[in-house]
Amino acid sequence: AQSVAQPEDQVNVAEGNPLTVKCTYSVSGNPYLFWYVQYPNRGLQFLLKYITGDNLVKGSYGFEAEFNKSQTSFHLKKPSALVSDSALYFCAVRDRGDTGFQKLVFGTGTRLLVSP
Amino acid sequence: DTAVSQTPKYLVTQMGNDKSIKCEQNLGHDTMYWYKQDSKKFLKIMFSYNNKELIINETVPNRFSPKSPDKAHLNLHINSLELGDSAVYFCASSQHRGPSTDTQYFGPGTRLTVL
Repeated sequence: AQSVAQPEDQVNVAEGNPLTVKCTYSVSGNPYLFWYVQYPNRGLQFLLKYITGDNLVKGSYGFEAEFNKSQTSFHLKKPSALVSDSALYFCAVRDRGDTGFQKLVFGTGTRLLVSP
Repeated sequence: DTAVSQTPKYLVTQMGNDKSIKCEQNLGHDTMYWYKQDSKKFLKIMFSYNNKELIINETVPNRFSPKSPDKAHLNLHINSLELGDSAVYFCASSQHRGPSTDTQYFGPGTRLTVL
């Protein structure tokens, strides 16, 4: 079964500093990887995805993610954090069953806290 | 314009009651989902429908019954509510085929509290 792991429950970073939120994956076949963000009392918002192609994927709000096949990682990054980036971040992997239809399997989430 | 909407946003009810949550998407997608987020923020899929047909059912108690009257709507009916059903329920949609396939778009969630 496809799975992702987010080893950090919380990441603290000062505003203006670079941030990294970690994700590792375990898949059979080619990985389809996603990052979503959940602001307090809100739904999940799509940030970016990796399907194929360049290992550095650019997404919304200045976020990017680096796909690393040898390390089976898909870490989320941003060069300069904002206080408004404080939220819950989920890594996810597509699991396409025998029917050909897909579901997302989510990691446990990482809370990002950006201090002023 | 709201892409994926859910009603109600909050639902507080007594144990044993029956309740429904509604979801609508105006993205023209053909596939819709229900996910459950528990108190520890863990997200897990419950159901998925493609063109009104059930395609994923993830070992959910049969007290939960999804219904899709058309491909833009997916409702979730819960019978005999239990304390453990308290959670946030998210609806999502995606397009099964095409250039934007695989990306799921989520609604704002329905916070269900069972007393």
